[in-house]
Amino acid sequence: DAKTTQPTSMDCAEGRAANLPCNHSTISGNEYVYWYRQIHSQGPQYIIHGLKNNETNEMASLIITEDRKSSTLILPHATLRDTAVYYCIVRVSGGGFKTIFGAGTRLFVKA
Amino acid sequence: SQTIHQWPATLVQPVGSPLSLECTVEGTSNPNLYWYRQAAGRGLQLLFYSVGIGQISSEVPQNLSASRPQDRQFILSSKKLLLSDSGFYLCACRMNTEAFFGQGTRLTVV
Repeated sequence: DAKTTQPTSMDCAEGRAANLPCNHSTISGNEYVYWYRQIHSQGPQYIIHGLKNNETNEMASLIITEDRKSSTLILPHATLRDTAVYYCIVRVSGGGFKTIFGAGTRLFVKA
Repeated sequence: SQTIHQWPATLVQPVGSPLSLECTVEGTSNPNLYWYRQAAGRGLQLLFYSVGIGQISSEVPQNLSASRPQDRQFILSSKKLLLSDSGFYLCACRMNTEAFFGQGTRLTVV
């Protein structure tokens, strides 16, 4: 599975959009981009995933660059409850989750 | 929908004592199951995964073992805990294209 790199931490004002970047320059054609988040001392929660088209659900939007070497998770109106560690991983669809989740991005949403 | 039960939520064990953490899954059959460990402030490290009853793959050499006695039961064990076994342990289940995680067990070895 391709590796990903994310900033260690980010701040965001409550009510504003939070844009979390992820680089995955070695991604292969059959690998999807997945985003999870982990609120302190809880299990990670699935957010969204995509292959090459932009995706949107009730939680977030995922923007994948045309060359697929990077992506951005967008939380359109961040709330204090969105404070968490956000993980970006890539994996082959139908494959396992053997990818090691990295340290992720710690997002602090401030009032 | 699937549900992952993981217990206990917290555990304090002395060095050298045995360990048994249990994970059960509802709402699916023949799931792929995973045990991860997360050290403080670090990412998740995959310890074991299982694609079926009695089938266990280990990702890293360590003091722990895993077993899958039933389709929806995954157990993490140790005969003698080490201080370095302290951490946050997470069980996960793969369903279709997503992984669902339990709430975790925080293990402190003293």
